[in-house]
Amino acid sequence: DAMVIQNPRYQVTQFGKPVTLSCSQTLNHNVMYWYQQKSSQAPKLLFHYYDKDFNNEADTPDNFQSRRPNTSFCFLDIRSPGLGDAAMYLCATSSHGTGEKLFFGSGTQLSVL
Amino acid sequence: QKEVEQNSGPLSVPEGAIASLNCTYSDRVSQSFFWYRQYSGKSPELIMSIYSNGDKEDGRFTAQLNKASQYVSLLIRDSQPSDSATYLCAVNNTGNQFYFGTGTSLTVIP
Repeated sequence: DAMVIQNPRYQVTQFGKPVTLSCSQTLNHNVMYWYQQKSSQAPKLLFHYYDKDFNNEADTPDNFQSRRPNTSFCFLDIRSPGLGDAAMYLCATSSHGTGEKLFFGSGTQLSVL
Repeated sequence: QKEVEQNSGPLSVPEGAIASLNCTYSDRVSQSFFWYRQYSGKSPELIMSIYSNGDKEDGRFTAQLNKASQYVSLLIRDSQPSDSATYLCAVNNTGNQFYFGTGTSLTVIP
């Protein structure tokens, strides 16, 4: 089945130690997104790629970076995780165009010790 | 980020009743509107999408859109305990951004 896959499901890192979360998709969608969701809060859009075109939200901290080496893969790099970065990180995809739906991966729950 | 507002609840309804969830959005150029269901610790899953003013029905779910009032709602008829979850309203503008509300927590009491 076509899907969005996130690895790992749970990630534990240490304060200040760089961490990378990965996402892959078999839907061949041209747009990929990273959302951060803290407990009882809305998913917060960090950035998205439209093909190779990177789009950063204005309030996304510089500590968060992303890479999309090809259509299928997208990575979220947290350069120096702080305690406040502990959250669920959701990868999602869509096809470009108004009305296209978001398809989510299962998420990566990040803990920072 | 563009504002999407929801009543966080919690909303409790008895089994078999109608649950009514509401959402308002601030960006008038928003084109597409979605309701997602999210169980605790899981990722959101799409329930309904709506693009035009009026009602759209899918099984027990009805989405309602009023662009003039910048208002979207979701009705769940014959509520079941399995409907207990957080319901997220999402709005898509003319670009590729999707913005979410904080969600309404629904509990269906058997």
